[in-house]
Amino acid sequence: GAVVSQHPSRVICKSGTSVKIECRSLDFQATTMFWYRQFPKKSLMLMATSNEGSKATYEQGVEKDKFLINHASLTLSTLTVTSAHPEDSSFYICSARDLNDGAEAFFGQGTRLTVV
Amino acid sequence: LAKTTQPISMDSYEGQEVNITCSHNNIATNDYITWYQQFPSQGPRFIIQGYKTKVTNEVASLFIPADRKSSTLSLPRVSLSDTAVYYCLVGLSSNTGKLIFGQGTTLQVKP
Repeated sequence: GAVVSQHPSRVICKSGTSVKIECRSLDFQATTMFWYRQFPKKSLMLMATSNEGSKATYEQGVEKDKFLINHASLTLSTLTVTSAHPEDSSFYICSARDLNDGAEAFFGQGTRLTVV
Repeated sequence: LAKTTQPISMDSYEGQEVNITCSHNNIATNDYITWYQQFPSQGPRFIIQGYKTKVTNEVASLFIPADRKSSTLSLPRVSLSDTAVYYCLVGLSSNTGKLIFGQGTTLQVKP
């Protein structure tokens, strides 16, 4: 099946710094990518939908200036957590789809962010 | 977007068949039903997808009644490694492509 690669898998950063997480579709063109956040023992919460070449659409309650999303190409989307705080510590997961080909979505392996 | 309802948790023993049912009363005509499996600290992994009737692959079967308001994921002869959270999702067919996760079902397989 198609592969979505997320990097890094784990990152620790200091409060106030910014962290960038990359999501790449390795063998297909992802017209749309999604970013999720997951707290321990909770379900995935959709943060935003990222379309190639256009601005991301954020879900209600998600700060767009806090979580910057860039979908510069059909194979790469990035999530930047700006001015990170300890409460931003979480598991972030990306997902990619090719809306022109099939109804399946593929997920990255996730990024564990710890802000200290 | 269709909302899904699943049991929060289920217990089973090795070698048994496990059936997890998901309700999605507001499913749209073009929506597919997809099940994902998630292990701790990993991204969800695709299990199976269907639109109606029955779908079977090498790991599971998916039963969808005619009204499509529910679906049942069937895992034959589970093993300890099947302990995970299972999510039922609908709505992949929409133009936005959004996938909204429900609470999922935590399956605990015991020896």
